[in-house]
Amino acid sequence: DQQVKQNSPSLSVQEGRISILNCDYTNSMFDYFLWYKKYPAEGPTFLISISSIKDKNEDGRFTVFLNKSAKHLSLHIVPSQPGDSAVYFCAASPLRGGTASKLTFGTGTRLQVTL
Amino acid sequence: DGGITQSPKYLFRKEGQNVTLSCEQNLNHDAMYWYRQDPGQGLRLIYYSQIVNDFQKGDIAEGYSVSREKKESFPLTVTSAQKNPTAFYLCASTSGGDGANVLTFGAGSRLTVL
Repeated sequence: DQQVKQNSPSLSVQEGRISILNCDYTNSMFDYFLWYKKYPAEGPTFLISISSIKDKNEDGRFTVFLNKSAKHLSLHIVPSQPGDSAVYFCAASPLRGGTASKLTFGTGTRLQVTL
Repeated sequence: DGGITQSPKYLFRKEGQNVTLSCEQNLNHDAMYWYRQDPGQGLRLIYYSQIVNDFQKGDIAEGYSVSREKKESFPLTVTSAQKNPTAFYLCASTSGGDGANVLTFGAGSRLTVL
């Protein structure tokens, strides 16, 4: 049972435009959400996170929105740059801290930013 | 620079052989994790260790074993009991506390069974 779903395996966006990556979850116990970015042949790197007490968190060009009632979060990248081309994983946990052993990852969305 | 080093980057194994993947970190992190990534799937947790000389099974521990004799090292052995070992393996660590979910990953090891 996939508790964290990224229904779009891939997304292509023109440079300078907005990229919107979506993530849905089914477990109402999830309380903390993260996005990781992964380049080929490298490990993922942490991008941005949001706690369930917020509905928005912004860090430079990256903004994550959380809609708890819809069990949906999205990552907005504005403006998109070619270096943003990577696979983006959504992850969720019932705990903000303590252990990452409860972290559940989505299947990833491959973003390609074209010139 | 602090980080996580995984070796080897690529590994080929014949069926029936055990192989050990190395993971070393110099971040002074207490907790270390092993994940497996397969095409079209998210990262799945194999084993984790919160402290030296202690480790717990993750969601897909069958066919794998680990040890944690030193804080810096968390090797993963893929045994012959693992039915489908071909995958990309990622080691990660975290400082714990409120930052526990912010994992630092190694570059990964790709294992192919011939």
